[in-house]
Amino acid sequence: GAGVSQSPRYKVAKRGQDVALRCDPISGHVSLFWYQQALGQGPEFLTYFQNEAQLDKSGLPSDRFFAERPEGSVSTLKIQRTQQEDSAVYLCASSLVAGQGAWDTEAFFGQGTRLTVV
Amino acid sequence: QKEVEQNSGPLSVPEGAIASLNCTYSDRVSQSFFWYRQYSGKSPELIMSIYSNGDKEDGRFTAQLNKASQYVSLLIRDSQPSDSATYLCAVKSGTYKYIFGTGTRLKVLA
Repeated sequence: GAGVSQSPRYKVAKRGQDVALRCDPISGHVSLFWYQQALGQGPEFLTYFQNEAQLDKSGLPSDRFFAERPEGSVSTLKIQRTQQEDSAVYLCASSLVAGQGAWDTEAFFGQGTRLTVV
Repeated sequence: QKEVEQNSGPLSVPEGAIASLNCTYSDRVSQSFFWYRQYSGKSPELIMSIYSNGDKEDGRFTAQLNKASQYVSLLIRDSQPSDSATYLCAVKSGTYKYIFGTGTRLKVLA
């Protein structure tokens, strides 16, 4: 596609419900990042994939958060047993270059998924 | 102390003036620095990247880096109302992780 596509754009979940957020990166982009952005804050790093390998998941806030990219393209961020503090915009970004300096070429962000847990 | 600090603003400047946005970071070994612009309800978009001490100019934008003082700044010349947005400073930490500041909200007054 022309850009990074995320779906759904908006998701309302009841507390305790599981959700799955999808990211379709730009075709051919090796690197894929997930970020969480709370209202009025900057994006917070969650996890990084190089192709299908999840090389860094140090930002995932708890074991309720799980991300995968099984074929090295589309990625899914899953949140189990959602809590109110999970309410945020979840941003996906992709870039062409792999490895160190991955962002030394431009990383393109998707429009994000706004998750509201009620 | 946060790893990347920015004044949240809002910073208000009149149209045509120079807007100066500042960012400090704590990791002395950081090598890559970025400025993103984020309009309300939209995703961040890259404006500038800078890796070496000194100035880097791109159109109306100038990024300045001082590694000894651990700060990076963004100057916007001839500010326009369309520049009104939140400006995010990002610093590369380690191999993959990019740390963002909370952003500075800029208002350009017509």
